[in-house]
Amino acid sequence: DTAVSQTPKYLVTQMGNDKSIKCEQNLGHDTMYWYKQDSKKFLKIMFSYNNKELIINETVPNRFSPKSPDKAHLNLHINSLELGDSAVYFCASSQGLANEQFFGPGTRLTVL
Amino acid sequence: AQSVSQHNHHVILSEAASLELGCNYSYGGTVNLFWYVQYPGQHLQLLLKYFSGDPLVKGIKGFEAEFIKSKFSFNLRKPSVQWSDTAEYFCAASEAGRRALTFGSGTRLQVQP
Repeated sequence: DTAVSQTPKYLVTQMGNDKSIKCEQNLGHDTMYWYKQDSKKFLKIMFSYNNKELIINETVPNRFSPKSPDKAHLNLHINSLELGDSAVYFCASSQGLANEQFFGPGTRLTVL
Repeated sequence: AQSVSQHNHHVILSEAASLELGCNYSYGGTVNLFWYVQYPGQHLQLLLKYFSGDPLVKGIKGFEAEFIKSKFSFNLRKPSVQWSDTAEYFCAASEAGRRALTFGSGTRLQVQP
């Protein structure tokens, strides 16, 4: 049983396109996150939702828009994709303030 | 702002060698500390965590870490590495009450058979 799942696993697209990445967790957690891992493997928080409410929004271009339809899902929509958006995007979830986060398998986004 | 530093970017060891990876954090308040591992092509998995209590924390696969508050450090250790330990290791911290993790830049460990 996959705890945190993401689709798609790979995404190759042209500059200027709009794309979405989906994330689902079946752990019953109340908080979900999006992280970006760049080509140097550096991981940085982008967004966090707690009970469907946005609680963390780091300095991310507003071309990136997270959406949480319910506690188990957190999707990431990206408008007008740029070359610099190429990265691996990880979804994660946690419960309460314990902050042990469980990560999804990642989505490798390549913008051509 | 909180930051996490990992000083070893790439470590190469032979099997059975001992491992110590350094991690320092900058925040002076109460922090939660973590080590995650990312095997090639896989997602991050939690190795161990420290919230409070005994500063020597034991994790999975024979790893342990020691929290030294006076040095703002949380170094990862393993007495004898195996080839299967080849992976990227990330130290992370979160301020108590803040949900997001701040990650270090990662250490690539390569274990040679």
